[in-house]
Amino acid sequence: NAGVTQTPKFRVLKTGQSMTLLCAQDMNHEYMYWYRQDPGMGLRLIHYSVGEGTTAKGEVPDGYNVSRLKKQNFLLGLESAAPSQTSVYFCASSKNRQVSTEAFFGQGTRLTVV
Amino acid sequence: AQTVTQSQPEMSVQEAETVTLSCTYDTSENNYYLFWYKQPPSRQMILVIRQEAYKQQNATENRFSVNFQKAAKSFSLKISDSQLGDTAMYFCAFMNNAGGTSYGKLTFGQGTILTVHP
Repeated sequence: NAGVTQTPKFRVLKTGQSMTLLCAQDMNHEYMYWYRQDPGMGLRLIHYSVGEGTTAKGEVPDGYNVSRLKKQNFLLGLESAAPSQTSVYFCASSKNRQVSTEAFFGQGTRLTVV
Repeated sequence: AQTVTQSQPEMSVQEAETVTLSCTYDTSENNYYLFWYKQPPSRQMILVIRQEAYKQQNATENRFSVNFQKAAKSFSLKISDSQLGDTAMYFCAFMNNAGGTSYGKLTFGQGTILTVHP
């Protein structure tokens, strides 16, 4: 079972460059999330989606955009990378509120902006 | 908004002994879930244990158990018979289950690095 797969696993960007992180899940989950993990701050929610074609802002959305054109995919975009966006990014998914509360996480993407 | 606080940045324990990780949270909600996630060096986030706020009985999963004190807003994790494979970062997390707008969003604590020594 693949579960939640993130691409790429590592990336180094120069300030001002753009990139897209891809998250794919094969569990037919309705909800998907992007979190960032920084030392001493735990994981913080960037954006989330409650279904195909819908997205919403989380706790720290500035500098990021997302899209969910297909139910199984959730893309996180950085239009103009900044050193403050150096972090480990996690995608997660969950079935829906009524059925399950468990979130399944991808393996993370370590992004360094220089 | 809710907050989750883990006041122990690092903990260590000898193999086979017991260790308790602390977590406190703040919320005005009554219907919620609490979780402990384990993050080993591989970075993978692994669900350790889950507690539903309306259940008075503390959750247990093999060597892992929680002490859930709803009035005190405390949710500690006890690991018994610690093993070397328990070495990891542990995160406490909160999920609001009230109404229709929580959508499974998690609020995490800062994390506690646990090292199990042989």
